[in-house]
Amino acid sequence: QTVVTQEPSVTVSPGGTVTLTCGSNTGLVTTAYYPAWFQLKPGQPPRALIFGTNNKHSWTPARFSGSLLGGKAALTLSRVQSDDEADYYCVLYYRRVFVFGSGTKVTVV
Amino acid sequence: QLQLQESGSGLVKPSQTLSLTCTVSGDSIGSGGYSWNWIRQSPAMGLEWIGYIYHSGSVDYNPSLKSRATISIDTSKNEFSLELNSVTAADTAMYYCARSLVVATTFFDYWGQGALVTVSS
Repeated sequence: QTVVTQEPSVTVSPGGTVTLTCGSNTGLVTTAYYPAWFQLKPGQPPRALIFGTNNKHSWTPARFSGSLLGGKAALTLSRVQSDDEADYYCVLYYRRVFVFGSGTKVTVV
Repeated sequence: QLQLQESGSGLVKPSQTLSLTCTVSGDSIGSGGYSWNWIRQSPAMGLEWIGYIYHSGSVDYNPSLKSRATISIDTSKNEFSLELNSVTAADTAMYYCARSLVVATTFFDYWGQGALVTVSS
């Protein structure tokens, strides 16, 4: 069974930069996993931010970027704002199954 | 503007069948090029992909739910549906329908607002 791992929580200061990672017990995460990232806020459906490793949706803030880093997928939030406080989930596509990570809670203080 | 709206049973008894429908407006579900997905979210399991269907009726499921889930599509009504049988308390979750692109697998651009389903006697 594929397990996707994310940091449980991170804290960042307003204006700062934070990088979230998304790993897999299957080995190195590559573009073939089509990693994607979502932002979740209470009472709202997930909002897609990044698809296919590093592609942004039209509504994705320019401050957000996706990449591969050290064998994992990564989401970097730059010039962080208070409104970025949320849960962030990644998803990997592996052997025809979408597997979500357990999410990272981003706190802006 | 594409919109997806879930509807269906909010309270289901254990061992019974959960039924949800996702009504799509703003585009034709039969136009092709997209997958129509069901995804659920619970405090215990986080986000979990259930499965998807193409306009052709071709489906794929999460192996963990494959034996209990059935996704169908009705292009004449512009909607697709989920049935999950033999439910237990572990199936209590917010259920979302979402669209993705066939050529950009993890696109997931549009989501419904979600339907809360509680499994309880």
